[in-house]
Amino acid sequence: GAVVSQHPSRVICKSGTSVKIECRSLDFQATTMFWYRQFPKQSLMLMATSNEGSKATYEQGVEKDKFLINHASLTLSTLTVTSAHPEDSSFYICSAREWGGPEAFFGQGTRLTVV
Amino acid sequence: TQLLEQSPQFLSIQEGENLTVYCNSSSVFSSLQWYRQEPGEGPVLLVTVVTGGEVKKLKRLTFQFGDARKDSSLHITAAQPGDTGLYLCAGASPSGTYKYIFGTGTRLKVLA
Repeated sequence: GAVVSQHPSRVICKSGTSVKIECRSLDFQATTMFWYRQFPKQSLMLMATSNEGSKATYEQGVEKDKFLINHASLTLSTLTVTSAHPEDSSFYICSAREWGGPEAFFGQGTRLTVV
Repeated sequence: TQLLEQSPQFLSIQEGENLTVYCNSSSVFSSLQWYRQEPGEGPVLLVTVVTGGEVKKLKRLTFQFGDARKDSSLHITAAQPGDTGLYLCAGASPSGTYKYIFGTGTRLKVLA
C-alpha cells in the first residue's frame, strides 16, 4: 500500500515554456501533499504544502506565481513551473499524507531540465 | 526556522564495518523519519519514530529518537555495499501540519 506516483519522471522543456508535474496517491486519499525541490548532491527543500481544496502554503523564498500548485482532488496534486528558466532545472519530488497518518510517502521524482 | 543538521556529511567505509549517522536540531519534532535515496529516485522511507527515547530496529539498522525529540541516530551494523546511498532524516513540525523538514543528508559509500 501507500503508493505515490509522479509523472513525468523526466522532462526537458525550452526556456520560457511551462511544465506541469502530477503527483497521484494510488491507494489512499491524500489530504495533504508536499512539494520538494532537490539540487544535485543536496538535501530536499520543502517548497510548499497543499491541502485538498484550499490554497497551497508556500515556504519563504518560493515564488507562488512561478510554482503553481493545485490540489483539486484527494488523489491528485499538480505543480506547474511557469515560464521556466535554466535555473529551474532540478529534481522535483512530491509526497502525500493520508488524514491522521504520521507518515508521508514519496513519489519517484521528476527530473526537469530547462534548455 | 527549524534546521536539521546531519553528521557526518560523507562517509566511506569498508564492507563489514559499523557506522552511526546523527541528526541534530534545536527544535522539538512530533515525529522523525529516516529515508534512503538512490541517485535519480525519490527517497524511500526506512522508519518513523514518534516517542522520545524510542528505539527501532530494521535488520542491521537501529534507529533511536532522542529523549527530548530533538535528535536521532541511525546505526548500521556490518555495512554492505547495498547500503550505499544518501541517508536523510526528516522531522515533522509539532504544529500538527505534519510538514517534514529534511536534514542536510549523509552520503554513505560502502566499499566491497
